[in-house]
Amino acid sequence: QKEVEQNSGPLSVPEGAIASLNCTYSDRGSQSFFWYRQYSGKSPELIMSIYSNGDKEDGRFTAQLNKASQYVSLLIRDSQPSDSATYLCAVNRGGSQGNLIFGKGTKLSVKP
Amino acid sequence: GAVVSQHPSWVICKSGTSVKIECRSLDFQATTMFWYRQFPKQSLMLMATSNEGSKATYEQGVEKDKFLINHASLTLSTLTVTSAHPEDSSFYICSATNPRGREKLFFGSGTQLSVL
Repeated sequence: QKEVEQNSGPLSVPEGAIASLNCTYSDRGSQSFFWYRQYSGKSPELIMSIYSNGDKEDGRFTAQLNKASQYVSLLIRDSQPSDSATYLCAVNRGGSQGNLIFGKGTKLSVKP
Repeated sequence: GAVVSQHPSWVICKSGTSVKIECRSLDFQATTMFWYRQFPKQSLMLMATSNEGSKATYEQGVEKDKFLINHASLTLSTLTVTSAHPEDSSFYICSATNPRGREKLFFGSGTQLSVL
C-alpha cells in the first residue's frame, strides 16, 4: 500500500516563530511532491511543489526533499496567525500526472 | 492561474435521492479530471479519474454504479451520487491538471453533501 504519513498535530507555534511540518512517503517511484494548505471547509490550495533533492524557497516557505530518506518537509518562517490551517503533503502516484496520494494533514495553530 | 469551478457548494438531500455535482475548467481544457472525497479529519481520497470521451477509472472500493461520472466535454465533468445515503455525506472535491503546469493540481471549491 502506497502511503503518505504526517503527524496529525496539532502543532502550535507562537507568532513569528518557524513552523516545521514533516512528511514521509513509501513509494520510491514518486517524483513529484506537493504541500497544500487547507482551511476548514475549503478545498486545498497549493503552497509549494518540489521535484529534486534539496531545498526550494518561496517567500516565507521552504520545502525540503530527501529522496533517499523518503522525506519531505515544509518550513514556514515568521509564522502568522493566518497560516493556521491544515497542511497536506501529497506525492504523485509513480508518474501518473495529477494523480496524487495525500497524507492526512498536520493541523498548524499559530498563536498571536 | 488555472481556475476550476465546482457547483453546488453545498447540498442537503433526503436519503434515496440522487445528487449531481458539476466541475468545470474555466480557462483551460482538461482531458482528465479527478474526483476526491474527504471525510471529517481525514485526508483527500481519490475516488475516480474522469477521462474526456471515455469511461472513468474508479479506485478500489468505489462503487462505479453508485458514483456516476460523465466527462462529455473538455471543460466539464459531473459526478452523480445515486440513491444517496447518510454514509455518503462528505466533502467532494474535483480537480484538474493544467496542461501548461507540471503536475500541478487545481481544485474546485468543493461540495459539502449532507444526506438526511
